[in-house]
Amino acid sequence: ETGVTQSPTHLIKTRGQQVTLRCSSQSGHNTVSWYQQALGQGPQFIFQYYREEENGRGNFPPRFSGLQFPNYSSELNVNALELDDSALYLCASERDAGGSTDTQYFGPGTRLTVL
Amino acid sequence: GDSVTQMEGPVTLSEEAFLTINCTYTATGYPSLFWYVQYPGEGLQLLLKATKADDKGSNKGFEATYRKETTSFHLEKGSVQVSDSAVYFCALQTGANNLFFGTGTRLTVIP
Repeated sequence: ETGVTQSPTHLIKTRGQQVTLRCSSQSGHNTVSWYQQALGQGPQFIFQYYREEENGRGNFPPRFSGLQFPNYSSELNVNALELDDSALYLCASERDAGGSTDTQYFGPGTRLTVL
Repeated sequence: GDSVTQMEGPVTLSEEAFLTINCTYTATGYPSLFWYVQYPGEGLQLLLKATKADDKGSNKGFEATYRKETTSFHLEKGSVQVSDSAVYFCALQTGANNLFFGTGTRLTVIP
């Protein structure tokens, strides 16, 4: 148990739709990162939020966006879904990103299928 | 750029066999190194980590030593159990704070 929860567990969407995935971080963790894990691959970094501001972004297009709220919850939004967006989406919370390398604690993930 | 190269799987071992999963990395600066484990149907769990050269991370009988000279962080366990069956990911983290993962190695331990 990492104390990080995600919802929903599974989701099916069709191409072109929009989706919102949710994450609840550990209490006191100011940093949340989102990762995309395609089948049979390692997770790839999408972006990180620190104290409600974007704090780094991987090689993902702008249709991937996020929000972080003061209550340690966060969202990943994906617009104009494509078939290749089908993957397991993981969020990870961290005590404080501010310049230090701390341990990231992962949620169980949301499995998104795009038809 | 930063990257992790991980031993390809799958790996199948008999119970009580010795395990080695190789991991090498490329990074600018001085990364922290991690092994994460993913059990079937679950998210990633931190198994062990090392933050500087020559550090040894250990947990649940698993060990890995941060070798700067060979840019490696190989995972070892002296005697595997059926319950160790999972996918193992090597990862690095630099000052940018995001993790770079390898592609994962699936381990199956048979009784």
